[in-house]
Amino acid sequence: AQSVAQPEDQVNVAEGNPLTVKCTYSVSGNPYLFWYVQYPNRGLQFLLKYITGDNLVKGSYGFEAEFNKSQTSFHLKKPSALVSDSALYFCAVRDFMDSNYQLIWGAGTKLIIKP
Amino acid sequence: DVKVTQSSRYLVKRTGEKVFLECVQDMDHENMFWYRQDPGLGLRLIYFSYDVKMKEKGDIPEGYSVSREKKERFSLILESASTNQTSMYLCASTLGTGLQETQYFGPGTRLLVL
Repeated sequence: AQSVAQPEDQVNVAEGNPLTVKCTYSVSGNPYLFWYVQYPNRGLQFLLKYITGDNLVKGSYGFEAEFNKSQTSFHLKKPSALVSDSALYFCAVRDFMDSNYQLIWGAGTKLIIKP
Repeated sequence: DVKVTQSSRYLVKRTGEKVFLECVQDMDHENMFWYRQDPGLGLRLIYFSYDVKMKEKGDIPEGYSVSREKKERFSLILESASTNQTSMYLCASTLGTGLQETQYFGPGTRLLVL
């Protein structure tokens, strides 16, 4: 069965330090992977996606994510965190082999950046 | 930019009431979705629609129904609200049905059922 795991409920990082938000997935075919962000009192916004090609994907607000097929991971990273990055982050996956168009969502990781 | 709007940001209803949540998108998107978001559970799909008058059940359709009479509008209906339907409800839309499609979300409706 398809699934997405975000193993950390919360990640705390000091401003200016690098940040990583972890995501692992399980699909039967090739994955399409997404990261979305939810700022306080706002809807979800698309950050970036991996479809094919270069394993390192760059997205909005200086974020990037690396697709690692052997580890079935798609961790979100940023070299230098800002307080304004504090938000709820969701990883999601679609299976290329699955005719169902549904996204499978992780539970979310709360990122807190401390000044 | 795509704009997805939801009729209410906050809603308080009583058990047994019929509740309507409305969602409108302004970019002629084919597909629309209703999710509920609960802490620790991520997003769970309630219903989606690929076309006017078309609907498909998601993972948790029980207790909900939907209506899509016009392309831009997708309504979620709670026939008889219950306390376990207290949640954040998110509407989303996509242009097409491709696997690479990005979903565009509304701001959400936080529903409290007393």
